[in-house]
Amino acid sequence: DAGVIQSPRHEVTEMGQEVTLRCKPISGHNSLFWYRQTMMRGLELLIYFNNNVPIDDSGMPEDRFSAKMPNASFSTLKIQPSEPRDSAVYFCASNLMDGVATNEKLFFGSGTQLSVL
Amino acid sequence: DAKTTQPPSMDCAEGRAANLPCNHSTISGNEYVYWYRQIHSQGPQYIIHGLKNNETNEMASLIITEDRKSSTLILPHATLRDTAVYYCIVCLSNNDMRFGAGTRLTVKP
Repeated sequence: DAGVIQSPRHEVTEMGQEVTLRCKPISGHNSLFWYRQTMMRGLELLIYFNNNVPIDDSGMPEDRFSAKMPNASFSTLKIQPSEPRDSAVYFCASNLMDGVATNEKLFFGSGTQLSVL
Repeated sequence: DAKTTQPPSMDCAEGRAANLPCNHSTISGNEYVYWYRQIHSQGPQYIIHGLKNNETNEMASLIITEDRKSSTLILPHATLRDTAVYYCIVCLSNNDMRFGAGTRLTVKP
């Protein structure tokens, strides 16, 4: 398996522009997570989906952020409008939640480095 | 609301065992202890997790004290490629995986 695939790897945009980050989870996984990492705040959980349904979005910073999972193999995180303080590395992770303890481990993608100028 | 306490940094000589401590004195009975690591510019990587018993896999060993208030991750023969930030996380499930600052392990030749 190719693992969790994120695109783009790097994104540079100007303040006010819309940014869309993409994630393809591992085939067969039923849960997907979006994290953000900055030097100041470390790794923060933004939102997670189970069976394509958003379960907890309490970590989403504000209304400028939105996430969707239209099917089991694709998710997007959109920022509109973007601001310089959104600059960070955004990670997507997936796992299989089936009640078996040995399967309870997250697989992370390589991340998207976002710079908002 | 960090549930774990880890030293900010540690050094280890290449080829020696790296023992990374973690305190989690407020852990509840059904919370797991997880360890992940993050090598520079990469996404976090799962290492191991356990509930009560000690665990071992191809990457590491996890030693959990009997009272479950602390644990130690052991990398038996550290290599330069093990240089990374190591995160100890206590949680009920992956739905609540909150990362702290971790321990920056530097393996030196």
